[in-house]
Amino acid sequence: DAGITQSPRHKVTETGTPVTLRCHQTENHRYMYWYRQDPGHGLRLIHYSYGVKDTDKGEVSDGYSVSRSKTEDFLLTLESATSSQTSVYFCAISTGTGNQPQHFGDGTRLSIL
Amino acid sequence: AQSVTQLDSQVPVFEEAPVELRCNYSSSVSVYLFWYVQYPNQGLQLLLKYLSGSTLVKGINGFEAEFNKSQTSFHLRKPSVHISDTAEYFCAVAETSGSRLTFGEGTQLTVNP
Repeated sequence: DAGITQSPRHKVTETGTPVTLRCHQTENHRYMYWYRQDPGHGLRLIHYSYGVKDTDKGEVSDGYSVSRSKTEDFLLTLESATSSQTSVYFCAISTGTGNQPQHFGDGTRLSIL
Repeated sequence: AQSVTQLDSQVPVFEEAPVELRCNYSSSVSVYLFWYVQYPNQGLQLLLKYLSGSTLVKGINGFEAEFNKSQTSFHLRKPSVHISDTAEYFCAVAETSGSRLTFGEGTQLTVNP
């Protein structure tokens, strides 16, 4: 299995609080991705990174920010969490070329009350 | 931009029966195609991928898929399912020149005894 660790695995927090999710990889892959998974929507891309300090927006980036200061770590931050951000969040990594599959972490279940 | 449509949100079948999970895609450029499987409380695992060449691709756990360019489809099949195949299945597409995946909404396959 690809070496991807997401933390925390579960989190419950209140509306308006900041939340940071961490993705750590041991594969030295260039690309890292954050998705959210919601029933009926599949996985939707929030942000991705193509190198240290190089990031770009996905299709559902509003309300989220990311940072990548090291190859192995990709952080997702909800500056002020809202109930609509309750979801399961997945990190993925890849070498970046389209013919290479992405490898996924086990997810973080985030509940915002 | 590309899009993916999985035509069935839920597919119930009996054990040892054949199954087909349908996936159509839309793209103005060449694409690679993937099927992923997600077991409960886990991340996504790659089942199979179509990059080029033979339109029939074989994956893990006895699954196969056929790429049909004229119908822009990539349906997943298994001739005889097991209880352990119960999971959610996602079809995904990537542009050959890109590094992002677009996922379908997912199909929940439930295998009943």
